[in-house]
Amino acid sequence: RKEVEQDPGPFNVPEGATVAFNCTYSNSASQSFFWYRQDCRKEPKLLMSVYSSGNEDGRFTAQLNRASQYISLLIRDSKLSDSATYLCVVRYNFNKFYFGSGTKLNVKP
Amino acid sequence: DAGITQSPRYKITETGRQVTLMCHQTWSHSYMFWYRQDLGHGLRLIYYSAAADITDKGEVPDGYVVSRSKTENFPLTLESATRSQTSVYFCASFGAGRVNTEAFFGQGTRLTVV
Repeated sequence: RKEVEQDPGPFNVPEGATVAFNCTYSNSASQSFFWYRQDCRKEPKLLMSVYSSGNEDGRFTAQLNRASQYISLLIRDSKLSDSATYLCVVRYNFNKFYFGSGTKLNVKP
Repeated sequence: DAGITQSPRYKITETGRQVTLMCHQTWSHSYMFWYRQDLGHGLRLIYYSAAADITDKGEVPDGYVVSRSKTENFPLTLESATRSQTSVYFCASFGAGRVNTEAFFGQGTRLTVV
């Protein structure tokens, strides 16, 4: 079983749409959670950390459900520039980061 | 420049050859990682290092060797390259301390083994 699982998509949405991604993780001892964005197999870059109480950064909202062991990312008012692959990342044992396979988002005009 | 850099950016090598991918970071981060990324598999951890002279295996270590004699460098060596090692390799680092510290990535090395 993979440490982190994501729906690979692709999610094809029109500009202005709201889209949500989920991610599940297997290790209940996981400590930290992140969403990374990756463009065209360039290096992943941090989009946002995910906090227990949920957090928002502009059009992006991240939530964590420890009981069910999943995290989510909601993107409102999608822009063409949001087209990318979104990686769910879980950190545990303090020094290990595990990545999901990524969810591909295509925002179309 | 500050940051994390990988070299070379692109490499073509022949089966059976030894090849070394370099990774250098200027933040003095204690932790460094090597990942490979293949279509359909996402990022998979090859090796990681908690500090100079401390390394450990990740998910897919077979066929790879690492060393870390200095904090800022973490080279990855393919001792005898195989076609299955054709991939994009990413080096990453993060500093110890805060639980929510994220990892930072180099730009990647595209390796093709022919």
